[in-house]
Amino acid sequence: DAKTTQPPSMDCAEGRAANLPCNHSTISGNEYVYWYRQIHSQGPQYIIHGLKNNETNEMASLIITEDRKSSTLILPHATLRDTAVYYCIVRASQGGKLIFGQGTELSVKP
Amino acid sequence: DVKVTQSSRYLVKRTGEKVFLECVQDMDHENMFWYRQDPGLGLRLIYFSYDVKMKEKGDIPEGYSVSREKKERFSLILESASTNQTSMYLCASSSRQTNQPQHFGDGTRLSIL
Repeated sequence: DAKTTQPPSMDCAEGRAANLPCNHSTISGNEYVYWYRQIHSQGPQYIIHGLKNNETNEMASLIITEDRKSSTLILPHATLRDTAVYYCIVRASQGGKLIFGQGTELSVKP
Repeated sequence: DVKVTQSSRYLVKRTGEKVFLECVQDMDHENMFWYRQDPGLGLRLIYFSYDVKMKEKGDIPEGYSVSREKKERFSLILESASTNQTSMYLCASSSRQTNQPQHFGDGTRLSIL
């Protein structure tokens, strides 16, 4: 699995867009970018994943650069309930164990 | 939506007891996983299963066993609970399709006294 780098923490005002970056400069051609989040004392929650095209679902948007060396998770209108640790994972399949790095602790403030 | 249900959110047991943690998923997923999560150590894989009656050891299987008699259910067993098994236990499932994500339950916070 390719190594990922995320900022340790970020703040965002409630109602504003939260943009969470992830660097994955060693990503291989068959590796996907996955985003999960973990709210305190709960299990990790899958958010979105993509290979090379931008993706959007009801929770978020995923923007992957053309060279695929970095990506950004966008929460379009952050709420207090989006306060969590966000993890970016790069891997070719989800069949084996997941390795969560340190992630980004997002604090959404009123 | 995928639903992974773990039988208990909180559990307190005594040293030496045999402990059963149950996990059920409703998406007909082939793959199921058991992790534990501890502060500073991240997620560690205990066991996983790719099909009914199949099991594979993860990184830290010692002191644990698993059972997968039905496709939707994956049980984790602590044969003789010890205090160092106090942890958050997380169950996950995923489709056999290689790029599909793992989906997690809410976790069981287990305390061994």
